[in-house]
Amino acid sequence: GDSVTQMEGPVTLSEEAFLTINCTYTATGYPSLFWYVQYPGEGLQLLLKATKADDKGSNKGFEATYRKETTSFHLEKGSVQVSDSAVYFCALNRQGAQKLVFGQGTRLTINP
Amino acid sequence: EPEVTQTPSHQVTQMGQEVILRCVPISNHLYFYWYRQILGQKVEFLVSFYNNEISEKSEIFDDQFSVERPDGSNFTLKIRSTKLEDSAMYFCASVTELNTEAFFGQGTRLTVV
Repeated sequence: GDSVTQMEGPVTLSEEAFLTINCTYTATGYPSLFWYVQYPGEGLQLLLKATKADDKGSNKGFEATYRKETTSFHLEKGSVQVSDSAVYFCALNRQGAQKLVFGQGTRLTINP
Repeated sequence: EPEVTQTPSHQVTQMGQEVILRCVPISNHLYFYWYRQILGQKVEFLVSFYNNEISEKSEIFDDQFSVERPDGSNFTLKIRSTKLEDSAMYFCASVTELNTEAFFGQGTRLTVV
């Protein structure tokens, strides 16, 4: 079945560091790929998405590129801020499917 | 900005008791979902609901679980007889149509003691 694997957390970085959170997937067909973020005390929010191979999703300085050849959708940000501290979830949705399949989440803490 | 609202934010219940988790999806959305996350584990799909009936459910969603949209605005998840392993964060979500952005509530943390 479909699955998503994220790098193990927690991840702790200093402000202005470069961030990568790895995400790989297994799915039949051509899924859409997502990164969701959960800030403390809040629900899951869509951060960015990509719907086909080589698409790059971007938002708030975060980027992820849909790599079909490596079945990956790694999240990157060039310079993190304390306010980026949250839990990040990679997810996929097969075309026409009704549900999201999530990775286990990666807790990110940014220290000033 | 419209949002999905869940209540309560935290519920503690005794094993064997019934619980109802409540959600108010965004008003013009058509598809509704429940997901759960056991502490430290993945967010897992439980059930989807469309046109007043269940459209898909996972193997987790057994006879102890039920969903309802009683009044056109609320969307509820009932667990008939809670077990310790039902302790988790439960998320409600809604979408306007398939393959569009899912909007999530802030979650209900259920603790079964």
